[in-house]
Amino acid sequence: NAGVMQNPRHLVRRRGQEARLRCSPMKGHSHVYWYRQLPEEGLKFMVYLQKENIIDESGMPKERFSAEFPKEGPSILRIQQVVRGDSAAYFCASSPGQGEETEAFFGQGTRLTVV
Amino acid sequence: TQLLEQSPQFLSIQEGENLTVYCNSSSVFSSLQWYRQEPGEGPVLLVTVVTGGEVKKLKRLTFQFGDARKDSSLHITAAQPGDTGLYLCAGGTRSNDYKLSFGAGTTVTVRA
Repeated sequence: NAGVMQNPRHLVRRRGQEARLRCSPMKGHSHVYWYRQLPEEGLKFMVYLQKENIIDESGMPKERFSAEFPKEGPSILRIQQVVRGDSAAYFCASSPGQGEETEAFFGQGTRLTVV
Repeated sequence: TQLLEQSPQFLSIQEGENLTVYCNSSSVFSSLQWYRQEPGEGPVLLVTVVTGGEVKKLKRLTFQFGDARKDSSLHITAAQPGDTGLYLCAGGTRSNDYKLSFGAGTTVTVRA
């Protein structure tokens, strides 16, 4: 009965490298959300995906950031050519996407540090 | 964009005191969730409310959903140091493909 699994928990990248963040949703959940959190701030929505579809990416920076949720395997948030400003905690959440509630369950996050 | 505003932004109280955190919006939500986040961890779901006027109790925590389903409050009775954390509210609507919108959070510190 695993919850939302994110890996790695901590990721250090040098400027210009690529960062790949993985998220395995809870069993039976077909909706995945990615959020970014800067120190002392709340959660900022980035992207909302269903299996093989991006539903809403209005919170994603236009360049260098991409996300996918393939038919098989985890959801991936990819950041190309990272810069210091990308340093943050990235959280993934999943929800069943059905029924009255839209409650989402979160992973423990990936803390990205760009040096 | 559905904007959720939380107040206050920061709250520091003594152990044993009561506190209330507010979550307000101009939008109507199908459901509203409250989460607590501790440093270094992900947000943990505390409760979901779906009916206007609904009140839910979770031990010393009382959650209320406004009659118009635009606002909510979280009341903690006799706060303890273990209640310290970032409290987040989030609202969702079926008309928006179930996307959740989050408030910025209220940082609660309970001093022993």
